Amino acid sequence: GQNIDQPTEMTATEGAIVQINCTYQTSGFNGLFWYQQHAGEAPTFLSYNVLDGLEEKGRFSSFLSRSKGYSYLLLKELQMKDSASYLCAVKGAGGFQKLVFGTGTRLLVSP
Amino acid sequence: DADVTQTPRNRITKTGKRIMLECSQTKGHDRMYWYRQDPGLGLRLIYYSFDVKDINKGEISDGYSVSRQAQAKFSLSLESAIPNQTALYFCATSATVTDTQYFGPGTRLTVL
Repeated sequence: GQNIDQPTEMTATEGAIVQINCTYQTSGFNGLFWYQQHAGEAPTFLSYNVLDGLEEKGRFSSFLSRSKGYSYLLLKELQMKDSASYLCAVKGAGGFQKLVFGTGTRLLVSP
Repeated sequence: DADVTQTPRNRITKTGKRIMLECSQTKGHDRMYWYRQDPGLGLRLIYYSFDVKDINKGEISDGYSVSRQAQAKFSLSLESAIPNQTALYFCATSATVTDTQYFGPGTRLTVL
């Protein structure tokens, strides 16, 4: 089976740092994606990790530990526009490396 | 210009009606996908296609059908719409090598 867990909701203050965790149990693993989705809009690609470690991209960083089935997305210098849902998605193994999405973490950034 | 477009963006229909949602892309990607999104359930895969001659069912294909008319076009049909098909529908595309999926703007479908 496949299971991806993320917190349902988080709150943070403008200018702060927030870490959104994702744990997964999947049959096979070929990488983990993070997407940002504003309410009613399309998910947009943020990051992709396939090897252990930290990937930094501007204010956003993503970390992966394959042995622990764990990833996090780190958002620094939070801005109001970062209020959105953040989706963790795992790419499985096999002929079709299906992307399995978590239910998302809704982040609310307050002034 | 948007790389992945969907039409219509919003649709309200009645139970039993046939509905077609269309997706077009200019990214030159071979792979195309249809997802639905429901509150609290995340994105779930309905159908996917790796090329024009390759169509596959996803995890929730019952009640849906698809057509890949060309590399750039992938349509989703609801043969006889029912209220529990009310959802936000997304089309996505990916290149074979990277497989990062890029999503269209979505179609909000309401079945009364």
